[in-house]
Amino acid sequence: KAGVTQTPRYLIKTRGQQVTLSCSPISGHRSVSWYQQTPGQGLQFLFEYFSETQRNKGNFPGRFSGRQFSNSRSEMNVSTLELGDSALYLCASSLWDSNTEAFFGQGTRLTVV
Amino acid sequence: GESVGLHLPTLSVQEGDNSIINCAYSNSASDYFIWYKQESGKGPQFIIDIRSNMDKRQGQRVTVLLNKTVKHLSLQIAATQPGDSAVYFCAENSKAAGNKLTFGGGTRVLVKP
Repeated sequence: KAGVTQTPRYLIKTRGQQVTLSCSPISGHRSVSWYQQTPGQGLQFLFEYFSETQRNKGNFPGRFSGRQFSNSRSEMNVSTLELGDSALYLCASSLWDSNTEAFFGQGTRLTVV
Repeated sequence: GESVGLHLPTLSVQEGDNSIINCAYSNSASDYFIWYKQESGKGPQFIIDIRSNMDKRQGQRVTVLLNKTVKHLSLQIAATQPGDSAVYFCAENSKAAGNKLTFGGGTRVLVKP
């Protein structure tokens, strides 16, 4: 059974640009959550999608958005990139929600210059 | 963003010894807890979970203990091996608080040969 797949693995963007990251969950999993990991703030919850609907949201500005498709694949978008957005962005998939086992992908390392 | 226990202590362990990693959580309403292992350049890897109606759960070479009275979680690794060197995170989830994983700051485990 394939694990959680995130693409791309690495990205370098310039301040002010926007970026889209992709996540393919484990087959059969319907919940996809996104997290930002930085050395200073640790792992922080961005949002969760279930059945194409955002079900939960963390404390991030509106520049961070996401969506989920009918096949449960999810994308997150960050607009007007800032230097502080440099981080490892992780996607986790669960069968139903965060109260069940959540499995992470390898992450996308975003560097904003 | 929210986080639990934001710091990164280091635990040095002799190969073959047992390791104990501790985690304090803050939300008394949390009802599900997970331990993750993260190696350099990889996403968090699920190790073991426990629900609030239990106080102990065992896996292969790992045991998780939950003390709800003092809001404390621990992970015990038996016969620590070099491959156990990584950063370990505890995560808590509360359906009442929004059903999203909140992560601790992590503990780095270094296994000495």
